[in-house]
Amino acid sequence: GAVVSQHPSRVICKSGTSVKIECRSLDFQATTMFWYRQFPKQSLMLMATSNEGSKATYEQGVEKDKFLINHASLTLSTLTVTSAHPEDSSFYICSAHSSLAVSYNEQFFGPGTRLTVL
Amino acid sequence: DQQVKQNSPSLSVQEGRISILNCDYTNSMFDYFLWYKKYPAEGPTFLISISSIKDKNEDGRFTVFLNKSAKHLSLHIVPSQPGDSAVYFCAASDRGSTLGRLYFGRGTQLTVWP
Repeated sequence: GAVVSQHPSRVICKSGTSVKIECRSLDFQATTMFWYRQFPKQSLMLMATSNEGSKATYEQGVEKDKFLINHASLTLSTLTVTSAHPEDSSFYICSAHSSLAVSYNEQFFGPGTRLTVL
Repeated sequence: DQQVKQNSPSLSVQEGRISILNCDYTNSMFDYFLWYKKYPAEGPTFLISISSIKDKNEDGRFTVFLNKSAKHLSLHIVPSQPGDSAVYFCAASDRGSTLGRLYFGRGTQLTVWP
């Protein structure tokens, strides 16, 4: 159990376009999902916390108008990178907290999405 | 400001020997710690965790040790196997903060050679 999927797994887009990344919890309901970004050889940096039915909470320094997060249902959260630029190229990973977790605060991570902006 | 630090970016160990991965933290409010394993182009997978009320937690070949006074924890893998080769992330949380909010270190690339 506790599987999280992401789509697409990789995307290449032109500068100035918008890209939507989906994160789904396949066999559990996730009231809270998290979006991370990872640059090469760097840590996973939390971008925002996504709560079902309410506005996302963004970390300091993350532009909420550029990284639009929608958590429309208990199994789906989306991240839209608007007007993408080359510096937005990164590995984006989502995770979800589940009551299925055997350990407190354990999160289940999706496989990630590699975004390349040309 | 990196609240969780993994100062060794890489570690190379021979198969069968012990792997010791270290992690330091600065926030004294952290009370729960987790280790995740990550393969390239995949999301992290949970490995083992420890609460601040304990100083050791063991699960098969994996043992995590916590030294609260030193704000230091370590992950021991015995015996190491080639399949353990991956990036290991240390993470910490403060139960008083947002549920599920984790702070990650930069990871340590473990390579286990035959």
